[in-house]
Amino acid sequence: DAGITQSPRHKVTETGTPVTLRCHQTENHRYMYWYRQDPGHGLRLIHYSYGVKDTDKGEVSDGYSVSRSKTEDFLLTLESATSSQTSVYFCAIGSSSAGKGTDTQYFGPGTRLTVL
Amino acid sequence: SQKIEQNSEALNIQEGKTATLTCNYTNYSPAYLQWYRQDPGRGPVFLLLIRENEKEKRKERLKVTFDTTLKQSLFHITASQPADSATYLCALEDDKIIFGKGTRLHILP
Repeated sequence: DAGITQSPRHKVTETGTPVTLRCHQTENHRYMYWYRQDPGHGLRLIHYSYGVKDTDKGEVSDGYSVSRSKTEDFLLTLESATSSQTSVYFCAIGSSSAGKGTDTQYFGPGTRLTVL
Repeated sequence: SQKIEQNSEALNIQEGKTATLTCNYTNYSPAYLQWYRQDPGRGPVFLLLIRENEKEKRKERLKVTFDTTLKQSLFHITASQPADSATYLCALEDDKIIFGKGTRLHILP
């Protein structure tokens, strides 16, 4: 998985609790991304980072926040988890040739989150 | 509205035949398009990238075409094998990367 780890790999939590997912890379890539994947919706971008302390919103950012204090770590926080946030969350990394995009993304193994 | 569409139905192909998957898009003008493979319970894995000025790209048994007039990319797997069974995602660059929902491919022995 191209030097990307995600933790935890599985989590069950209750509605209203805060949850933080961690993505760690050893590739020194500038760009990091958080996606969620749901049946019928495919992969949807939540937030992304284009450098330390530089982040921006994706398609489905409501209810999520992110932080990147070091190149290697990108945290996704659900401030108050809801059942609609039950999903599989993927972190990805990439380098960029231009703009905010990236030529290729390398994905982590995913975190399966269940909000009861 | 902007859309990226892949065959929603699963595709069943006999082993040894060529599998062809389609990715259509509307209201985008991507500089490039990518294909990824995803196995159950795992993250997507990058396969090929094709740029807008390239008509075709090959990698071993894989071939991708990109027609910016038709707004379509075709992904071919020649001499298909059961191990090629997976979900294949197309993704295009439009400021950010946008993924299609994927097509499940089953290669039947």
